[in-house]
Amino acid sequence: RKEVEQDPGPFNVPEGATVAFNCTYSNSASQSFFWYRQDCRKEPKLLMSVYSSGNEDGRFTAQLNRASQYISLLIRDSKLSDSATYLCVVSARGYNKLIFGAGTRLAVHP
Amino acid sequence: EAGVTQFPSHSVIEKGQTVTLRCDPISGHDNLYWYRRVMGKEIKFLLHFVKESKQDESGMPNNRFLAERTGGTYSTLKVQPAELEDSGVYFCASSLGSLTEAFFGQGTRLTVV
Repeated sequence: RKEVEQDPGPFNVPEGATVAFNCTYSNSASQSFFWYRQDCRKEPKLLMSVYSSGNEDGRFTAQLNRASQYISLLIRDSKLSDSATYLCVVSARGYNKLIFGAGTRLAVHP
Repeated sequence: EAGVTQFPSHSVIEKGQTVTLRCDPISGHDNLYWYRRVMGKEIKFLLHFVKESKQDESGMPNNRFLAERTGGTYSTLKVQPAELEDSGVYFCASSLGSLTEAFFGQGTRLTVV
């Protein structure tokens, strides 16, 4: 079983739509959680960290459910520029390395 | 301020040859990481330096891979001899302290033929 599982998509949505991605992780010792964004043939870039209480950054909202070992990312009012692959990333307590999911591809169309 | 830079951006080599990838982290970042993405798979951790010391090399595939970070500045990752399955994109990342802000380089796309 993979340590971090994501639906690969693609999610094809029109501009202005709301879209949600889910991610599950297998290691209950996971301590830190992130969403990264990766454009085609580019490097991953940190989109946002995910906190236990949930957090919001503009049109993006991240939620964490430790009991279910589940992380989500909600994007409201999708823009064409949101088209990318979204990577769910965790790290375990005491381990200074990132464990990546395979990513969920989002395509926003006019 | 310059970000994480990697060289070369692309490399095509024959099986059995040697290749050395270079990473220059953001100035002042003690933590340097190497990751790899092989086609169709997720990005996987290779190793982590704190300054010049290898903190964790649990992700290194085998002894054909050698990473160094002399002087605690730039790092090199040498593959010798290269095999077909080594093809992929090799990413370097650096961070000042914790993982909260890990910045990635644009990667080196390695193709072994």
